Order: sequence, then C-alpha cells, then structure tokens
Amino acid sequence: GAVVSQHPSRVICKSGTSVKIECRSLDFQATTMFWYRQFPKQSLMLMATSNEGSKATYEQGVEKDKFLINHASLTLSTLTVTSAHPEDSSFYICSGGSQKAPNEQFFGPGTRLTVL
Amino acid sequence: GENVEQHPSTLSVQEGDSAVIKCTYSDSASNYFPWYKQELGKRPQLIIDIRSNVGEKKDQRIAVTLNKTAKHFSLHITETQPEDSAVYFCAASRGGGTSYGKLTFGQGTILTVHP
Repeated sequence: GAVVSQHPSRVICKSGTSVKIECRSLDFQATTMFWYRQFPKQSLMLMATSNEGSKATYEQGVEKDKFLINHASLTLSTLTVTSAHPEDSSFYICSGGSQKAPNEQFFGPGTRLTVL
Repeated sequence: GENVEQHPSTLSVQEGDSAVIKCTYSDSASNYFPWYKQELGKRPQLIIDIRSNVGEKKDQRIAVTLNKTAKHFSLHITETQPEDSAVYFCAASRGGGTSYGKLTFGQGTILTVHP
C-alpha cells in the first residue's frame, strides 16, 4: 500500500512559538493532502484540504492564519502551527490521496504536539 | 455538509462473540464508506471499505453492509479476538467537486474484547 510519513512524531514547544509538521508521500504522488486534528478520546476532525500548487481549503472554524498549510510538491505538504497555545495541543495526522485510488486516503503516523 | 453518526460509543464482548457497529450518514451523494481501526497513539488503519454500488463486502472475519436507501452502513466482526480491541471509526466521502475524497468520520467506538 501507499506509504505516508510525518515528521516529527512528537514535539513539545513553548506557548507563542511556531511549529512545522511535514507530511510526505513516499511511494506515490499525493495530488491531494488532508490535515486532521484529533483530541484525546475524540474523532478525527478535518482541518483543511490542500491540492498541489494551490491554496488550501480550510474547514469552518479553522483559522487559516494560524494553521498555515503548504503543498509545494506532489510528495510534500507542511502544516505550521503559528503562535501555538496550550489549547493547540493535539494529535495532528495528515493523509494523502491519489488519483490511482479514488476516495482512498493513506494516513501518516501522526504528530503529537504539546504546547507548554 | 455530511454528518456521520456512529453507535455504540463503547462495546464490550467476550472473545469469540460477534461485534456490530453501526453508522448513519446524511449526504445521499456519499459513495465511499471506509472503516478504520485505530490503536492508541497510532494512525487509523483501513480495515475494510465499501462503495455505493455494492451492498455487502466481506474479508475473512470482517464484513460491511450498506443500505443506501436508509443511509446506513454497519461493520460486523465475527469470532472476535483480544487483539481486535481498539477504537473503530466509520467514515463517508463523496467523489467529485470540491469535496472530492474528503472524509467525514463518525465519533468512534471503543471495542473491548475480553479473553
């Protein structure tokens, strides 16, 4: 199956700093990448959808100026949490979609963000 | 937009028994319904999926049924084993347009299989 990696797997930062999370599709071209946030004991909530070379589409209630998404190539998307606060502490998961497998998404291993 | 409701939120069974988790969806245009198993701190793993042109699909101990008219689909696990214990999520998505491939997840079911 298609493989997606995420880096870092865990990050701890101070309140007010910015954190960048990378999501890479290793063996396929991800024409679309999705970013999810999952709070403890809750479901995955879609934050934004990004297509290579174009601006991300954010879900209602997600601040686009706080969660910066860049999808510069077919194998790399990044999520930057700017001016992080403790309430941003969560499990962030990316997934990639490919035209070869319509509708299917291939998930990264997730990044645990803790903001102190 | 799409809304997916999942029940029950927790399910406890004895090893060897069957487990059934049910989901309903609101968007009649949804045409892809995957089920994921997620262990603590790990990524969701696709365990089975079904598309709207099929009513039932089976893979060894796991089966999924879809009722398009009623807009609900169910996961069936037979002969449960302790290693089946995890959180299970259903999801729905539609093809085409700006919502292409966008998954809406259910709330999740914590399945516990007791030895």
